[in-house]
Amino acid sequence: AQSVAQPEDQVNVAEGNPLTVKCTYSVSGNPYLFWYVQYPNRGLQFLLKYITGDNLVKGSYGFEAEFNKSQTSFHLKKPSALVSDSALYFCAVRDGGAGSYQLTFGKGTKLSVIP
Amino acid sequence: ETGVTQTPRHLVMGMTNKKSLKCEQHLGHNAMYWYKQSAKKPLELMFVYSLEERVENNSVPSRFSPECPNSSHLFLHLHTLQPEDSALYLCASSQDSSGIWTDTQYFGPGTRLTVL
Repeated sequence: AQSVAQPEDQVNVAEGNPLTVKCTYSVSGNPYLFWYVQYPNRGLQFLLKYITGDNLVKGSYGFEAEFNKSQTSFHLKKPSALVSDSALYFCAVRDGGAGSYQLTFGKGTKLSVIP
Repeated sequence: ETGVTQTPRHLVMGMTNKKSLKCEQHLGHNAMYWYKQSAKKPLELMFVYSLEERVENNSVPSRFSPECPNSSHLFLHLHTLQPEDSALYLCASSQDSSGIWTDTQYFGPGTRLTVL
C-alpha cells in the first residue's frame, strides 16, 4: 500500500522568509512524488515532480523540493515567500513498483504568507 | 488552466434529480480521472479511464456512473444522490503509456456540487 503524510495542517510564514511544507511517504517500490497547489475555488495546479535522477527538483513559481530516500521525505521549499503563495498545498505519491494508476494525495497543508 | 475544462462549475440538485458533470481535455492525453474532494478529507480517486476503457473503480456507489465516449471527454452521471455526496468533483487527465504511469495529472477547475 502507498501512503503520504503532511504533518502540518497549516504553515504561517512572513513574506520574504523561506518556507517549507513537509511531506513524507510510504511505498513498496520506487516513489513517484508530486506537489500540487490549489487556490480557492480552483482545481489543482501542478508544481513539480520527482521520478528519478537529481534529488533536488525545481518547479513552477520558484518552488523546489528535495527527495530524501533515507528519510522518505519530499519537502517543498521556496527561498522567499510571497503573499500570492498563500494557498493549499498537496503532496502526492504513486508507487512505481506496483504499476498502479493510483495517485495518493495527502490531506493538504494550508500555507499563509503574512505581509 | 484551459487545458482541462469542466461544466458546470456549480450545481445544486435534489436527491431525486438526475444530472451529469462534463469534463473535456485539450491536451491530447489518453487517460482521464474523476476525483472527489470533500472538506477535511484527502482527494479520493473515483474512476480512471485509459484509452476510453475504465481501468479502475475505487468502490464508488452505483449512483455515480462514469462515461468516456472518447479520449477527450469524460462524464459523470449522477442520480439519487445523498447530501453527503456534496463536494468538489475534479477531473484530471494525463498522458500515460506502457503501464508506467509517471506522467503528471492536470486538473480542471472542478464542479462544486451541493445535494439538498
